[in-house]
Amino acid sequence: DAGITQSPRHKVTETGTPVTLRCHQTENHRYMYWYRQDPGHGLRLIHYSYGVKDTDKGEVSDGYSVSRSKTEDFLLTLESATSSQTSVYFCAISESGRGGTEAFFGQGTRLTVV
Amino acid sequence: QQQVKQSPQSLIVQKGGISIINCAYENTAFDYFPWYQQFPGKGPALLIAIRPDVSEKKEGRFTISFNKSAKQFSLHIMDSQPGDSATYFCAAAKTGGSYIPTFGRGTSLIVHP
Repeated sequence: DAGITQSPRHKVTETGTPVTLRCHQTENHRYMYWYRQDPGHGLRLIHYSYGVKDTDKGEVSDGYSVSRSKTEDFLLTLESATSSQTSVYFCAISESGRGGTEAFFGQGTRLTVV
Repeated sequence: QQQVKQSPQSLIVQKGGISIINCAYENTAFDYFPWYQQFPGKGPALLIAIRPDVSEKKEGRFTISFNKSAKQFSLHIMDSQPGDSATYFCAAAKTGGSYIPTFGRGTSLIVHP
């Protein structure tokens, strides 16, 4: 398995509280991504990073922010959690685009907002 | 706007049968089409991928068929086994510049013994 660790693996939080999910990689891959997975919606991109301090929005970025201060770490923050953000969050990494390379996924974080 | 449309949403087949999952895409700039397999409680993992310069790619019991003119591609699982029961995602990406896979909504496959 690719060296990707997501933490925490499970979290229950209250509406309105901030939440930070962490993704740590040991592969030194350039690209890192945050997806959310919801029944009937598949995997939707929240934010991605193409280098340290280089990030961009995906299709469902509202209510989320990210930071990447080191190659190995990509943090996803829910600024004020809402019930609609209850989901399974996956971090993924990949190296380079031109070769059509593989994206490796972490094990996921199940977040419940009550 | 959904850039990659996947069907069916769920699929039930008998052991030994053929499972077929279809995807269609809009963006003609996509030039890489991977399929991912996901077991419960796990992250998706690459199963097989194809580039548009070939019409078919086979790896064991798994085959991708690609129709560039129709902007469609499909996954065929021959001799389906209960261990193939999983969720399958098709994806599409441009490999020049930033690599950002766009995924279909997934197909839940159940193979009955």
